[in-house]
Amino acid sequence: SYVLTQPPSVSVAPGETATITCGGNNIGSTGVHWYQQKSGQAPVMVMYLDSDRPSGIPERFSGSNSGNTATLTISGVEAGDEADYYCQVWDRSSDHVLFGGGTKLTVL
Amino acid sequence: EVQLVESGGGLVRPGGSLRLSCAVSGFTYSSYSMNWVRQIPGKGLEWVSSISYSGDTIYYADSLKGRFTISRDNAGNSLYLYLNSLRVEDTAVYYCGRTKSSSGGIDFWGQGTLVTVSS
Repeated sequence: SYVLTQPPSVSVAPGETATITCGGNNIGSTGVHWYQQKSGQAPVMVMYLDSDRPSGIPERFSGSNSGNTATLTISGVEAGDEADYYCQVWDRSSDHVLFGGGTKLTVL
Repeated sequence: EVQLVESGGGLVRPGGSLRLSCAVSGFTYSSYSMNWVRQIPGKGLEWVSSISYSGDTIYYADSLKGRFTISRDNAGNSLYLYLNSLRVEDTAVYYCGRTKSSSGGIDFWGQGTLVTVSS
């Protein structure tokens, strides 16, 4: 079955750039979505179809997807960006929604 | 304003059943596919099930198929998840979410409802 692999944790200082990856076999051939989940809250979509931002998501958030890796980039990281981030795809071979294991972003 | 509000969670004994509901408002419910996603405390997101806008097409996570049943009432703007033969490991927060049109992503989520399976 298809697997999405994320690093368990990423740490960055305020103002720096955070890069969160999502690995999967030929993931570049499918659309990837990203969610932010702050402690005790429901997830929020921050990116869809690789690089499109939903309304209300700051331009500091950007995304890319190519080959075997999709990437969520957060520029000028703020304390309020500290959260768990999850990637997600629709696996057409199984007709299943798949989530990555999540990455905890810590702002130092 | 798009709103999704889950209800129906609670404490249930192993082997028991529960019906979760998701009441939606602020959009044309009958035009959107919907999803249930769960999260075991302290763990990641786990997809449970999806249902097409008409209810004709339904998908389940392999590990849950046969015990959980998704359905929808378009006239009543509601989504349901029937949980049967519950196990301790089904203890989780259950979220409903709307599929963003033609993208496959989930653009709006409810606040979740906690299901605790314990003797």
